[in-house]
Amino acid sequence: GENVEQHPSTLSVQEGDSAVIKCTYSDSASNYFPWYKQELGKRPQLIIDIRSNVGEKKDQRIAVTLNKTAKHFSLHITETQPEDSAVYFCAARPFGNEKLTFGTGTRLTIIP
Amino acid sequence: GAVVSQHPSWVICKSGTSVKIECRSLDFQATTMFWYRQFPKQSLMLMATSNEGSKATYEQGVEKDKFLINHASLTLSTLTVTSAHPEDSSFYICSASPTGELFFGEGSRLTVL
Repeated sequence: GENVEQHPSTLSVQEGDSAVIKCTYSDSASNYFPWYKQELGKRPQLIIDIRSNVGEKKDQRIAVTLNKTAKHFSLHITETQPEDSAVYFCAARPFGNEKLTFGTGTRLTIIP
Repeated sequence: GAVVSQHPSWVICKSGTSVKIECRSLDFQATTMFWYRQFPKQSLMLMATSNEGSKATYEQGVEKDKFLINHASLTLSTLTVTSAHPEDSSFYICSASPTGELFFGEGSRLTVL
């Protein structure tokens, strides 16, 4: 089955700087890669996703890049703000499979 | 987006008792729902996939007799933790994917004393 690795496990960034979180996946059949933000005690919320037919997607301060050849994808947050502090999870899903496999999570702390 | 509602949001029970968690799709019909478990500071691990009108599909290592899943209607799936023990204490979250995107319930925090 699919295996997703995520790095780093913790990340502290000065407010206003950029944050980058990286994930790798194992199943070359995966074609859907969402990113979730989870605040303490709450449900994960989708913040951005990308499908394998594109290499990059951007939504305001958030962007995701995908390298299918290397089987890795990254989340980029620019101009970070204190409210960006949370745990972020990447995930991957193979084509034709409903199951989503999550990475291990990154605890992002924005330092004011 | 689609709305998934989960109840209860938290529950405390004694060891050996059973606890039922409900997951409802409020504005769509879900033939499939997914149950995840999340231990503190850890990732979401898929436990099982519930299928409306048929048996659930359990992930490897998940005891089907301990975690009973019922998906009796297109809007309701239930997870029953039977004979709960302290090691079952966790955050249980259901989800559904009506449009390809995964929508989560609020989660249920179970504490077994």
